[in-house]
Amino acid sequence: DQQVKQNSPSLSVQEGRISILNCDYTNSMFDYFLWYKKYPAEGPTFLISISSIKDKNEDGRFTVFLNKSAKHLSLHIVPSQPGDSAVYFCAARGFSGTYKYIFGTGTRLKVLA
Amino acid sequence: NAGVTQTPKFRVLKTGQSMTLLCAQDMNHEYMYWYRQDPGMGLRLIHYSVGEGTTAKGEVPDGYNVSRLKKQNFLLGLESAAPSQTSVYFCASSLGAANTGELFFGEGSRLTVL
Repeated sequence: DQQVKQNSPSLSVQEGRISILNCDYTNSMFDYFLWYKKYPAEGPTFLISISSIKDKNEDGRFTVFLNKSAKHLSLHIVPSQPGDSAVYFCAARGFSGTYKYIFGTGTRLKVLA
Repeated sequence: NAGVTQTPKFRVLKTGQSMTLLCAQDMNHEYMYWYRQDPGMGLRLIHYSVGEGTTAKGEVPDGYNVSRLKKQNFLLGLESAAPSQTSVYFCASSLGAANTGELFFGEGSRLTVL
């Protein structure tokens, strides 16, 4: 069973517009949710995170929203730039004696100039 | 700032051969992880370690072994490689209870098993 799901494999957005990437989870015991960005032939890089006790976290053009009742989080990028084109992974951290991170399958964002 | 370093970056193996991937981190992190990335599958956890001398199984541990003899190093071994193990392997580390919960990744090791 996949505990973290990204149901959209790809997304195309015009430069300057808002990009919204979505993620759903099934386990209520996750304490942190994170977004990672990945360029081809590179390792994932950390973008932004949110604690399970918060509902919003903002860092520059990036905002993550957490809806605990719906077990849903989203990443908003405003305004979108061509350099934002990458694969975005949603991840959740769970603690059951040790910290483990479960990743979604990723969404490929393409920002069109 | 080296961060997380993986060696080798690329490797081609024949079925049945063995190899070891090395991960080294210089951030004094307690937790280290090995993931594999496959198309459409995202990042799947193979094995992880919560400290020197300890290891545990992740989601897809079969066919792999790991060791954490030193805090800064986490080795991933394939005893008898199979074509299904063709993948990109990522090592990551974390402080464990850090406020942001951030994982730091290496650049990846691309393994092809023929």
